[in-house]
Order: sequence, then structure tokens, then C-alpha cells
Amino acid sequence: GAVVSQHPSWVICKSGTSVKIECRSLDFQATTMFWYRQFPKQSLMLMATSNEGSKATYEQGVEKDKFLINHASLTLSTLTVTSAHPEDSSFYICSARQGAFVGNTEAFFGQGTRLTVV
Amino acid sequence: GENVEQHPSTLSVQEGDSAVIKCTYSDSASNYFPWYKQELGKRPQLIIDIRSNVGEKKDQRIAVTLNKTAKHFSLHITETQPEDSAVYFCAASRWYGGSQGNLIFGKGTKLSVKP
Repeated sequence: GAVVSQHPSWVICKSGTSVKIECRSLDFQATTMFWYRQFPKQSLMLMATSNEGSKATYEQGVEKDKFLINHASLTLSTLTVTSAHPEDSSFYICSARQGAFVGNTEAFFGQGTRLTVV
Repeated sequence: GENVEQHPSTLSVQEGDSAVIKCTYSDSASNYFPWYKQELGKRPQLIIDIRSNVGEKKDQRIAVTLNKTAKHFSLHITETQPEDSAVYFCAASRWYGGSQGNLIFGKGTKLSVKP
């Protein structure tokens, strides 16, 4: 299957600082990428849908000014957690799809980023 | 919007037994239903999926059934093995605006297979 690489795998930052997480599709072009947040023992909660060359679509309750998403190319989307606070500590995971065709429905996940804000 | 309910939240079976996880969805327009397996600290991995034009799909010990009328789909794992122990997520999505929409996930089922 296709490979999605997410970096970093884990990060510890001080409260008030910003953290950038990268999501790359290594062997395919991803017109759409998704960002999820996962709390311990809970499900994947969609935060936003990132489309190449356009603004991200945020889910209800997700602060767009706090979670900045940029999808500048067909292989890279970034999530920046701005002014991070301890409650932002979580597992962030991205997924990418190859394209809009009916056959390309499978979403491939990155390995996730464990963010700890101290 | 779509809402996906998944049951049970935890499931413990003896090695060799079968395991069944059930999901219901609310949006009748949903047409794609994947199942993901997530081991502790790792990324979700697609194990099987089904589209709305099919009622059942099987891949070795894993099968998925879909009842569009009742809006529910199930994952069946036969001859379970300890390595099947993980959290399983169901999801649903619909065709929207010319592309497959985002996946809405169930809350997950923690499956434990006892040797």
C-alpha cells in the first residue's frame, strides 16, 4: 500500500510555544489529507480536512486559529498547534487519500505524533 | 451529519473462537465502510472494506457484512489468534462533491484474544 510519513513521532514542548507536525505522502499524490486527534483509549476525532491549494475545512468545535493547517503541495500537509497548552496534549494523526476517483477510497495513515505540552 | 455507533466497546474471546463487532450508521448516503485495526501506539491499518453495492466480503479469516436497509455493518473474525488483539474501528463515508468524503469513525472495540 501507499506510504504516509508523519514527523515528528513525538514532541514535548513548553506551554505557550507552537509545534509543527508534518504529514507526507511518499509514493503518491494526495489531493486530500485529514487530521485527527486521538485521546487515550478513544476514537479518532476528525479535526479538519486539508485540500491541496485551498483552505482547510475544520470540524465544528475545532479552533482554526489554534490549529493551523497548510497543504501547500500534493505530498505535504502541516498542522501547527499554536500557543500550545497542556490540554492540547494528545496523539495527532494524519491520513491521506490518493485522489477523487471511486477506486481510490482507502485512506492511509501516518504513524502519528504524540504531543506533550508541559 | 453522519454518526457511527460501534459495539461492543470491549470484547474478550478465547483463542480459536469467533469475534463479531457491529456498527450502525445514520447517513443513508454513506457508501463506503472500512474497518481499521490499531495496535497500541501504532497507526490504524485497513484490514477490510466494503462498498454499498456489495452485501458481504471475505478475506481469509476476516469478513464484513453490510445491511443497507438496516444501516448496519459487522466485522467477523474467525479462528481468532492472540495477534488479533488490538482496537478495531469501523468507519463510514459518502460520496460528496465529486469525491469520497471524510471517514467518520466509531468509538472502537478493544479485542482481547486469550491463549
